[in-house]
Amino acid sequence: DVKVTQSSRYLVKRTGEKVFLECVQDMDHENMFWYRQDPGLGLRLIYFSYDVKMKEKGDIPEGYSVSREKKERFSLILESASTNQTSMYLCASSPGQVETDTQYFGPGTRLTVL
Amino acid sequence: AQSVTQLGSHVSVSEGALVLLRCNYSSSVPPYLFWYVQYPNQGLQLLLKYTSAATLVKGINGFEAEFKKSETSFHLTKPSAHMSDAAEYFCAVSDRVQGTYKYIFGTGTRLKVLA
Repeated sequence: DVKVTQSSRYLVKRTGEKVFLECVQDMDHENMFWYRQDPGLGLRLIYFSYDVKMKEKGDIPEGYSVSREKKERFSLILESASTNQTSMYLCASSPGQVETDTQYFGPGTRLTVL
Repeated sequence: AQSVTQLGSHVSVSEGALVLLRCNYSSSVPPYLFWYVQYPNQGLQLLLKYTSAATLVKGINGFEAEFKKSETSFHLTKPSAHMSDAAEYFCAVSDRVQGTYKYIFGTGTRLKVLA
């Protein structure tokens, strides 16, 4: 079974803090993704990566950055957290062909910014 | 850019009744389409996907979906709802943007199953 783990299920941070969300997959997948999930808006892609040290902007990259130093790990960074970044963050991975491959999701991190 | 529209943010059915969750896509080329399910406090998992093979796609837990090009639809059905089907369901399409592919998700439909 593919396993995608996220470092925290719940996180509370203060405005202006730097926040790191970590994601690890154990199936040697090429592709990794960070999404944000908000009620009524579905999932929106923040960043994705097709390879180590490679990243592509998604639909809503503003206020976020990412790092992929190792194939199995993809980190999402909030440089200076703001209250409008309070949300559920979902990490996913997929094997090779993004257009047809299944994405495997972690359980999510619910971030609250006060 | 492609998009998907899920009609009905909340759907309620009685246990044993037919489940029908609607998804329409916009695409000028044959799309790749997916249905994912999210149970409470969990990530998403794949129910089924259409990748240009058979138009009737069978998935896990008794769900199936039919790709209808003429209607640009990919509705999800299950003949008989079970209490354990209560969850949020997302339709998605893969889209090629500036040479790379990514998923576009719908806004989700929350299914409630009544005893």
